[in-house]
Amino acid sequence: NAGVTQTPKFRVLKTGQSMTLLCAQDMNHEYMYWYRQDPGMGLRLIHYSVGEGTTAKGEVPDGYNVSRLKKQNFLLGLESAAPSQTSVYFCASTGKGNQPQHFGDGTRLSIL
Amino acid sequence: AQTVTQSQPEMSVQEAETVTLSCTYDTSESDYYLFWYKQPPSRQMILVIRQEAYKQQNATENRFSVNFQKAAKSFSLKISDSQLGDAAMYFCAYRSDIIQGAQKLVFGQGTRLTINP
Repeated sequence: NAGVTQTPKFRVLKTGQSMTLLCAQDMNHEYMYWYRQDPGMGLRLIHYSVGEGTTAKGEVPDGYNVSRLKKQNFLLGLESAAPSQTSVYFCASTGKGNQPQHFGDGTRLSIL
Repeated sequence: AQTVTQSQPEMSVQEAETVTLSCTYDTSESDYYLFWYKQPPSRQMILVIRQEAYKQQNATENRFSVNFQKAAKSFSLKISDSQLGDAAMYFCAYRSDIIQGAQKLVFGQGTRLTINP
């Protein structure tokens, strides 16, 4: 069972470059989330989705865009990367009801 | 807005001993969920235990148990018979419902637990 899969696992970017992080889940979950984790802090919610074709802003959305064209995929985009976006990014998903969130293994992103 | 505070950045315990990690939170809601997640060096976020606020009985999962004090807004994690594999960063989290069934997890800063052999 794959669960939640994030690609890539590591990436180094230069300031101003763009990239997309992919999250895929095979549990037919309705809800998907993107978090970032910075040193000395817990995870913070960037964006989330309540279903295919819908997205919404979380706690720290600035500088990021997301899309959910297919139910199983949730993409996080950085249009013009900045050093402040150096972080570990986690994707999570959950089904309906009181299920806990299932997390991917994270993507470590460094922006020079 | 809800906040979660873990006041112990680091803790250490001898193998086979018991350790308690502290967590306090702030909320005006009466019904909610609380979680403890474990993050080993592999970076995975592993759910350890969860507590539903309307249940007065403290949750237990094998060697892991919680002390949930709703009035005090306290949610501590007790690890009994500590094992080397318990070494990790531990995060306390509060689940807040957003809209249409979506959940927002609010995390504390984390406590790094070291197990001494």
